[in-house]
Amino acid sequence: EAQVTQNPRYLITVTGKKLTVTCSQNMNHEYMSWYRQDPGLGLRQIYYSMNVEVTDKGDVPEGYKVSRKEKRNFPLILESPSPNQTSLYFCASSQSEGATDTQYFGPGTRLTVL
Amino acid sequence: AQSVTQPDIHITVSEGASLELRCNYSYGATPYLFWYVQSPGQGLQLLLKYFSGDTLVQGIKGFEAEFKRSQSSFNLRKPSVHWSDAAEYFCAVDRGSTLGRLYFGRGTQLTVWP
Repeated sequence: EAQVTQNPRYLITVTGKKLTVTCSQNMNHEYMSWYRQDPGLGLRQIYYSMNVEVTDKGDVPEGYKVSRKEKRNFPLILESPSPNQTSLYFCASSQSEGATDTQYFGPGTRLTVL
Repeated sequence: AQSVTQPDIHITVSEGASLELRCNYSYGATPYLFWYVQSPGQGLQLLLKYFSGDTLVQGIKGFEAEFKRSQSSFNLRKPSVHWSDAAEYFCAVDRGSTLGRLYFGRGTQLTVWP
């Protein structure tokens, strides 16, 4: 089954404790991205990657890092989480960055930073 | 500035009633337009998309949307709502030059009364 998976689905942590949220897709997609969803704001893109070793900032990259060492994986790293990073995070993938390629979203990771 | 506007935060309809969810965008050129649905605890699922051509597009689950250039709108409709349609709906645009980045509205929560 074609899918985007994220782990963990739920995470409660404390300020400053490094964490990684994993994202994996099995569709051989080149394009992957991370969004955060906050009430009243919809989804905003954090980082994106057009292929292995090619990443760039989205609209809200502060406080986040990403890496793309393999085509299927695109982990989101919070080196020193803060409470304002409490949010619902979605990973997405598509064949390319072209607008005509449908983006597939993972189930989301709900992060709480205390 | 808000690029995608969904003016209704919450809509309640009775099962079997018709539905229209509003979406307006503020770009000068015609962007690529999308509607996504998010069921509780789930990721986002693409309902339909508009790139060009016929301004009335059909999607999954009996949904359709109409692009109106003069109104910069892309409203989602369904003639008869089912209880399973209760979810949050997001309008999104791709401006065609933003490297796969989708800009989302803040979402409309749909409640369906039996």
